[in-house]
Amino acid sequence: GAVVSQHPSRVICKSGTSVKIECRSLDFQATTMFWYRQFPKQSLMLMATSNEGSKATYEQGVEKDKFLINHASLTLSTLTVTSAHPEDSSFYICSAREGHTEAFFGQGTRLTVV
Amino acid sequence: KNQVEQSPQSLIILEGKNCTLQCNYTVSPFSNLRWYKQDTGRGPVSLTIMTFSENTKSNGRYTATLDADTKQSSLHITASQLSDSASYICVVSAMADDYKLSFGAGTTVTVRA
Repeated sequence: GAVVSQHPSRVICKSGTSVKIECRSLDFQATTMFWYRQFPKQSLMLMATSNEGSKATYEQGVEKDKFLINHASLTLSTLTVTSAHPEDSSFYICSAREGHTEAFFGQGTRLTVV
Repeated sequence: KNQVEQSPQSLIILEGKNCTLQCNYTVSPFSNLRWYKQDTGRGPVSLTIMTFSENTKSNGRYTATLDADTKQSSLHITASQLSDSASYICVVSAMADDYKLSFGAGTTVTVRA
């Protein structure tokens, strides 16, 4: 299957700082990328959907000024958690698809805010 | 509201045994249903994908079934191995809303020697 690479796999940051997570499609053009958040023993919760070259569409309850999403190219989307706080600690996962084909998931990023 | 419910929430089985996971959904209009395996601390990996017209699909020791009339699916794991320990997530795609995915909460499977 197609490959989606997410980086970093783990990150620890201090409260108040910002963290950037990258999501890359390695062998296809990701016209749409999705960002999810997953708390322990829970399923994935969609945070936002981004189409290349357009502003991201955020799900209800997700602060767009706190979770900045950039999808400037067909192979890269970034999620920046700004002014991170301990409650932002979670597992963040991206997925990408070309057109309306199957979406493939990245490996996930474990964010710990101390 | 589109919903996906999975059962059981968790189960423990002995190595070599079989098990079946269930998924019920209310997603409409239905596009496809996928089963994913998610190892702890990793992203989900696709096992099977089925459209409306498909009743069963296999991927090695994993066999998924779909009954689109009753809106039920199952994932059967045959001759379980220790590496099958993971969370199994049922995901249903709607044909509307830009093929938005609805996720089940997952079934955590623990295989013991």
